[in-house]
Amino acid sequence: GAGVSQSPSNKVTEKGKDVELRCDPISGHTALYWYRQRLGQGLEFLIYFQGNSAPDKSGLPSDRFSAERTGESVSTLTIQRTQQEDSAVYLCASSLNKGLYGYTFGSGTRLTVV
Amino acid sequence: GEDVEQSLFLSVREGDSSVINCTYTDSSSTYLYWYKQEPGAGLQLLTYIFSNMDMKQDQRLTVLLNKKDKHLSLRIADTQTGDSAIYFCAEAGNTGGFKTIFGAGTRLFVKA
Repeated sequence: GAGVSQSPSNKVTEKGKDVELRCDPISGHTALYWYRQRLGQGLEFLIYFQGNSAPDKSGLPSDRFSAERTGESVSTLTIQRTQQEDSAVYLCASSLNKGLYGYTFGSGTRLTVV
Repeated sequence: GEDVEQSLFLSVREGDSSVINCTYTDSSSTYLYWYKQEPGAGLQLLTYIFSNMDMKQDQRLTVLLNKKDKHLSLRIADTQTGDSAIYFCAEAGNTGGFKTIFGAGTRLFVKA
């Protein structure tokens, strides 16, 4: 596609429920990244997919968080048993190779846990 | 680990120059970036500079890199109200496996 597409754009969920966030990267971009942005804060790295290599999961904050990517296509970030501290904007980005010339970001999914 | 720091707020008058500063800790940083985030949107890459460069200019934007002091700055000439946004400094280097590490962002307010 022309840009990185994320859905849904907004999600309100009850504490304890599971949520799935979707990211559609730019076609041909081999790398895909998930970041979390809490209100008024910077970006916190979550996970990084590069082609068919094992993903770098070093930023996932707990085992309630997981992500998958199908080939060089769509990625899904799943948060199980959501907590109020999970409320944030979840940003997805994609890039060619290692993204040394920068990333293209989606508009994010705003998650609110009530 | 790697860290990127920047001041949180900057306020300027329309037409003045804005200078946003950033410091980083990773001496292996090879690529340094400035991103802009407008309300409700994702981050947009403004410009990047390689560590073997001191300066890069792109229209109203000037990036200065002091590698010795690990200091990066973004100067916006003739700042306009449309430049009001959050500006993120970021770096990628070998230490972090070339994952991009972002600062907390500087919120630029432009007064008419």
